[in-house]
Amino acid sequence: NAGVTQTPKFQVLKTGQSMTLQCAQDMNHEYMSWYRQDPGMGLRLIHYSVGAGITDQGEVPNGYNVSRSTTEDFPLRLLSAAPSQTSVYFCASSPQGRGTQYFGPGTRLLVL
Amino acid sequence: AQSVTQLDSQVPVFEEAPVELRCNYSSSVSVYLFWYVQYPNQGLQLLLKYLSGSTLVKGINGFEAEFNKSQTSFHLRKPSVHISDTAEYFCAVSDARSARQLTFGSGTQLTVLP
Repeated sequence: NAGVTQTPKFQVLKTGQSMTLQCAQDMNHEYMSWYRQDPGMGLRLIHYSVGAGITDQGEVPNGYNVSRSTTEDFPLRLLSAAPSQTSVYFCASSPQGRGTQYFGPGTRLLVL
Repeated sequence: AQSVTQLDSQVPVFEEAPVELRCNYSSSVSVYLFWYVQYPNQGLQLLLKYLSGSTLVKGINGFEAEFNKSQTSFHLRKPSVHISDTAEYFCAVSDARSARQLTFGSGTQLTVLP
């Protein structure tokens, strides 16, 4: 049981490049979400999904895209990277309706 | 919508001293409350949570928190800290009806000094 896994751990992009951050969970959780963490701002919700085929926007969705084709996977796409997207990205999952979220180890992204 | 305020961005404390990390929330509906801990270069780990019932909640590593509905607070306490407790601590809230989205505070860096 690996829990929530994220790849890559680190990434450097140039402005305008695109990339996909991968997130997978093996706990059969229905709810998955993506957060970004910036100094002094805590974690802010980017997108979330309540089940396969269902996604919705969080607090800071602009510049990001998601899809949920399976229960296990919830990739986050940066369409055209900008320096303002330099951050640490966390994926989380939880069983439906109980609130407790389980976090992955994070992806550190630097956009030059 | 909910919001969370962590009143102290940094809390230095000597080893074996007690500590309290403050958290206040705002919500128009019933809430679930959480404290998460983040050790350097790691993800977030759940310390404790309040869903319902007793307002005093005990978590891992000797931490506890008390839900005070009238004060809209959920302060985290530990009677005697260790060097290994040095980490960043996040308070979070979710709507109890849906229990889906978490709203986080800005975090409190606890530094335990020898």
